[in-house]
Amino acid sequence: QQQVKQSPQSLIVQKGGISIINCAYENTAFDYFPWYQQFPGKGPALLIAIRPDVSEKKEGRFTISFNKSAKQFSLHIMDSQPGDSATYFCAASSRRGSTLGRLYFGRGTQLTVWP
Amino acid sequence: EAGVTQSPTHLIKTRGQQATLRCSPISGHTSVYWYQQALGLGLQFLLWYDEGEERNRGNFPPRFSGRQFPNYSSELNVNALELEDSALYLCASSLTGANEQYFGPGTRLTVT
Repeated sequence: QQQVKQSPQSLIVQKGGISIINCAYENTAFDYFPWYQQFPGKGPALLIAIRPDVSEKKEGRFTISFNKSAKQFSLHIMDSQPGDSATYFCAASSRRGSTLGRLYFGRGTQLTVWP
Repeated sequence: EAGVTQSPTHLIKTRGQQATLRCSPISGHTSVYWYQQALGLGLQFLLWYDEGEERNRGNFPPRFSGRQFPNYSSELNVNALELEDSALYLCASSLTGANEQYFGPGTRLTVT
């Protein structure tokens, strides 16, 4: 079953706008939540990550919001630029048991930023 | 600092053949992870090696196997190739015990 659910599947945003991608998870053992950015023909690049002891983390134009009680987290891209057009993946991992070491990925969101 | 490198970039095989994919981690990283990125299925965890040992395995048949060498580079072997094995195979590396995984560019495997 899909351990991490991601939405929307695709997103079109005007240059300068805010892009918001949402993820939800079920396994309460997850304790690390990264976001990856992937351009066509490239491997995913680690963008930003958060742990459940904080509710928000900001790095430049990228912010993760985390809601532990709702088991949801989201990526906000402020002042979106055409160069941000890529596929974004959320993921989750745990340090425990059979899930140790593995990242569980969402299905991805294809972001297009129009100039 | 060099990132994760993978070879070959592309690989074309016939059904029933074997494929060998290679990965070199970031210098200083001892953990190597393999993922399959197939169309419509997203990124699926295959294997995790650390200090030469297999530490975890995803829900893939035994014909997917690998190993890690003393220099921490790794090899993924896929035996008895099937058409549905066509995918981008991604390798990632991390420091021992670290959550952050850094990915290479991948090997595109096509099975005909």
